[in-house]
Amino acid sequence: QQQVKQSPQSLIVQKGGISIINCAYENTAFDYFPWYQQFPGKGPALLIAIRPDVSEKKEGRFTISFNKSAKQFSLHIMDSQPGDSATYFCAASSPWGNQFYFGTGTSLTVIP
Amino acid sequence: DAGITQSPRYKITETGRQVTLMCHQTWSHSYMFWYRQDLGHGLRLIYYSAAADITDKGEVPDGYVVSRSKTENFPLTLESATRSQTSVYFCASSESSSNQPQHFGDGTRLSIL
Repeated sequence: QQQVKQSPQSLIVQKGGISIINCAYENTAFDYFPWYQQFPGKGPALLIAIRPDVSEKKEGRFTISFNKSAKQFSLHIMDSQPGDSATYFCAASSPWGNQFYFGTGTSLTVIP
Repeated sequence: DAGITQSPRYKITETGRQVTLMCHQTWSHSYMFWYRQDLGHGLRLIYYSAAADITDKGEVPDGYVVSRSKTENFPLTLESATRSQTSVYFCASSESSSNQPQHFGDGTRLSIL
């Protein structure tokens, strides 16, 4: 059973456009929702994260929107650039050590 | 340089062999993690460790063994490798818990023939 469901699987966006990736979860014990960015041959790197006491967090061109009642959160990349082309993973965790789950990933391609 | 390093980067072995993947971090982070990454599954937690000599199972622990005698090292052993364990393995660490940012190594690509 997939603890965190991520969509779409792949995404193609024009340079300057907005990229939107969505995730949904079921476990209400989750209280930490990070997004990771991964380039080929590299490990995932933390991009931005949110906790459920806020509905939105913005860092530069990257924004997380969080809807606690719907148990959904999304990543918005504004003014998408070719350098943003990578695989993006959402994740969710609870305070207990072994509950850390990743989504299945979204391959983003930004066309110049 | 400070960071988290994994070795080897690539490994090919045969079914039934024992293989150990190494992970070393220089931050003195308390928590360390092992994940496997497979297409269609994202990353799945194999084992984690909250401190030296404290380890616990994650989502997919079968067929794997871990140890943590020193804070900075967290080796992962496949005692009798199977083809289904062909994957890319990532080690990660975090400062205080799994609910904090995790820092990943660059992975070990393991192929089991």
